[in-house]
Amino acid sequence: DAGVIQSPRHEVTEMGQEVTLRCKPISGHDYLFWYRQTMMRGLELLIYFNNNVPIDDSGMPEDRFSAKMPNASFSTLKIQPSEPRDSAVYFCASSPGDGGSYEQYFGPGTRLTVT
Amino acid sequence: GDSVTQMEGPVTLSEEAFLTINCTYTATGYPSLFWYVQYPGEGLQLLLKATKADDKGSNKGFEATYRKETTSFHLEKGSVQVSDSAVYFCALRTSGTYKYIFGTGTRLKVLA
Repeated sequence: DAGVIQSPRHEVTEMGQEVTLRCKPISGHDYLFWYRQTMMRGLELLIYFNNNVPIDDSGMPEDRFSAKMPNASFSTLKIQPSEPRDSAVYFCASSPGDGGSYEQYFGPGTRLTVT
Repeated sequence: GDSVTQMEGPVTLSEEAFLTINCTYTATGYPSLFWYVQYPGEGLQLLLKATKADDKGSNKGFEATYRKETTSFHLEKGSVQVSDSAVYFCALRTSGTYKYIFGTGTRLKVLA
């Protein structure tokens, strides 16, 4: 399996622009997670999905952030409008869930820089 | 709420030294415990896990034992290598949820 795929790997944008991060989970995994990693706050869970349905979005920082999972093989995290404080590495992870070991498999991340 | 506390880094060791990275947790119920490793520029990778008290997880020479009485899951390796230089994260998953709680990470630097 190719593992969790994220794109782009790097994104540089100007404040106020819309940013869309993409994730393809491992085939057959029922759970998908979005995390944000910064030096100041460490690794934060933003939102997670089960069978394409958002289960917990309590970590989404504000209304500028939104996430969707239109099908089992694709998810997006959108920031509109972006701000410099959104600069971070964003990780997507997937997990097999029930019947599995609950392990989370992480993608390589998207490094976002907002100037 | 549930939480994970890791020792502050960075930890700097010479090659072949013994490694311990402390991790303690607070949780309701019976959590599963994990160690993840993050190499520079990469995502987190599962290193080892333990799902119940007294379980020992092991992988690539690393070990950690689930100690319920001390609520700890310390990571150990008998002889570190330069290639072990990375950031190590302790994490828990409380039963009944699929959310992980991660520690802040401990950076390890191994010198040749």
